[in-house]
Amino acid sequence: AQKITQTQPGMFVQEKEAVTLDCTYDTSDPSYGLFWYKQPSSGEMIFLIYQGSYDQQNATEGRYSLNFQKARKSANLVISASQLGDSAMYFCAMREGLSGGYNKLIFGAGTRLAVHP
Amino acid sequence: DSGVTQTPKHLITATGQRVTLRCSPRSGDLSVYWYQQSLDQGLQFLIQYYNGEERAKGNILERFSAQQFPDLHSELNLSSLELGDSALYFCASSVRLAGARGTDTQYFGPGTRLTVL
Repeated sequence: AQKITQTQPGMFVQEKEAVTLDCTYDTSDPSYGLFWYKQPSSGEMIFLIYQGSYDQQNATEGRYSLNFQKARKSANLVISASQLGDSAMYFCAMREGLSGGYNKLIFGAGTRLAVHP
Repeated sequence: DSGVTQTPKHLITATGQRVTLRCSPRSGDLSVYWYQQSLDQGLQFLIQYYNGEERAKGNILERFSAQQFPDLHSELNLSSLELGDSALYFCASSVRLAGARGTDTQYFGPGTRLTVL
């Protein structure tokens, strides 16, 4: 069964430093998509970055990059030059199935990131 | 702002009652998804609709039902409410089915926080 594991319940980082949030996944489907979402204390879920299983290069979006290691089934999020506003809960998610239009996301338990000044 | 709207933002009700949560997807998005976020279960997929038809079902209780209307807005009906139904309910939308390669990113609304007393 598909599964997402985020082993870090909480992380601390100093402002302006880089931080890596870990995510490992398990699936037998060769086609899948991996997503990271940010959930600030206000509660909304904000899409950050996407990596497809067939993508040859690691995804990047501004200060966010995804360290995709397919053989290890890991999709770690790297946030460079952390800002105070990056303090939030971060969720890794996997899209289950690409055929037949079944597009549900499976989420990990999340990592709470605190950025210190 | 993701473009997905949800009403109401907060809902407080009593056990045994019935409530309806409403979601309007982003303009042009055909798929609507409902998720439940609770402290003990995390983020869980409930149900997906595509252009008015049910596409996928997750761990949705029989007391819960949903529908998508011709104008593509969706409603999630929760009945015979129990204390354990207290949670943040998210609606998300995406453009199309994941039949072809592509991100088909799900954009989340701000959520409806349901409190059952």
